Amino acid sequence: ETGVTQTPRHLVMGMTNKKSLKCEQHLGHNAMYWYKQSAKKPLELMFVYNFKEQTENNSVPSRFSPECPNSSHLFLHLHTLQPEDSALYLCASSHVASGGHPDTQYFGPGTRLTVL
Amino acid sequence: AQKITQTQPGMFVQEKEAVTLDCTYDTSDPSYGLFWYKQPSSGEMIFLIYQGSYDQQNATEGRYSLNFQKARKSANLVISASQLGDSAMYFCAMRVSPYGGSQGNLIFGKGTKLSVKP
Repeated sequence: ETGVTQTPRHLVMGMTNKKSLKCEQHLGHNAMYWYKQSAKKPLELMFVYNFKEQTENNSVPSRFSPECPNSSHLFLHLHTLQPEDSALYLCASSHVASGGHPDTQYFGPGTRLTVL
Repeated sequence: AQKITQTQPGMFVQEKEAVTLDCTYDTSDPSYGLFWYKQPSSGEMIFLIYQGSYDQQNATEGRYSLNFQKARKSANLVISASQLGDSAMYFCAMRVSPYGGSQGNLIFGKGTKLSVKP
């Protein structure tokens, strides 16, 4: 596997279900990101993990719970979602030098989530 | 406020012709980076080109070039010799300084849908 991979690619779930999205990067990066892309809206940053520590949480509802066990893996745990949470969820990774700018972010193919 | 504006929801271009996709940005930070990404219908965001705020020359990557006009705060993407495979959504993004506490995260525009006609 190369680049950034995401599984599953498509997910349909009911509002009472619990599911998890998985992201894995094979680029040797140390920062990982979750984005939400809804129709007709700009990409929204949800979470940032830098050196495995969560450094940003952009007022995301608690029904979304991220987990970053190591610098190569990132999960997004989902529970009791709402229909308006239906969107494309994109994972990205980048290298961040200590005290410096993050380098270019590279994205995975996304998980298209539908909440019924 | 930091913001990216893409005013063209959709664009059409004839195959083999050049096309310019507009992007303007707003930031008071002197240090920033500008990116363009391509998103085909499959969903993946593909990095195309990067321009740093202190770069003296416009960035180029193959058929992609970035027309960077700092005083006008614009960073337009130029695609030369369009191909059918260029049909996709194109997003302009800005990375702001990490010193403001945002860790240098990206802010995206709403995108432009490019359709290449045979």
